[in-house]
Amino acid sequence: GENVEQHPSTLSVQEGDSAVIKCTYSDSASNYFPWYKQELGKRPQLIIDIRSNVGEKKDQRIAVTLNKTAKHFSLHITETQPEDSAVYFCAASGGSNYKLTFGKGTLLTVNP
Amino acid sequence: DAGVIQSPRHEVTEMGQEVTLRCKPISGHNSLFWYRQTMMRGLELLIYFNNNVPIDDSGMPEDRFSAKMPNASFSTLKIQPSEPRDSAVYFCASSPGQGQREKLFFGSGTQLSVL
Repeated sequence: GENVEQHPSTLSVQEGDSAVIKCTYSDSASNYFPWYKQELGKRPQLIIDIRSNVGEKKDQRIAVTLNKTAKHFSLHITETQPEDSAVYFCAASGGSNYKLTFGKGTLLTVNP
Repeated sequence: DAGVIQSPRHEVTEMGQEVTLRCKPISGHNSLFWYRQTMMRGLELLIYFNNNVPIDDSGMPEDRFSAKMPNASFSTLKIQPSEPRDSAVYFCASSPGQGQREKLFFGSGTQLSVL
């Protein structure tokens, strides 16, 4: 089955800096790669996603890049703000299998 | 829409007791998923339904766990008998069909503590 590795497990940045979280996946058939944000004690919420026919996608301060050859994708957050502090999860799914396999998460702390 | 609704929000029980978690998906969503979240193992898919039919239950840890979806607006996850290692947050999520099956909308979760 699919295996998703996520790094780093914790990340601390100063407000205004950029943050980058990286994930690798194992199943070359995977074609959908979402990112979820989970604030403390809350539910995971989808913040951005990308499909394998696209190399990069942006939404305001967040962007996701995908390298299918290397089987890795990344989340980029620019101009970080304290409210960006949360756990971020990457995930992958593909083909006729709609199961999302999640990475272990990255705890992002943005220091004011 | 109120989103995915789970109950109870918190459940504290003793080892050996039966636990039933409930979920109401977003109206019109065709797929429903049960996830378990722990610090050690992260978010694990337990089972998912499509059009009320269980499609993949390979994540259900053992026979003590069972899930049902009797209609499009209700699902249950039952643990009988419960054990301390079942302590976790259990999330239900639903997704629309028609090419968006992977876009999950999570409920608020049930925090289960088995003493």
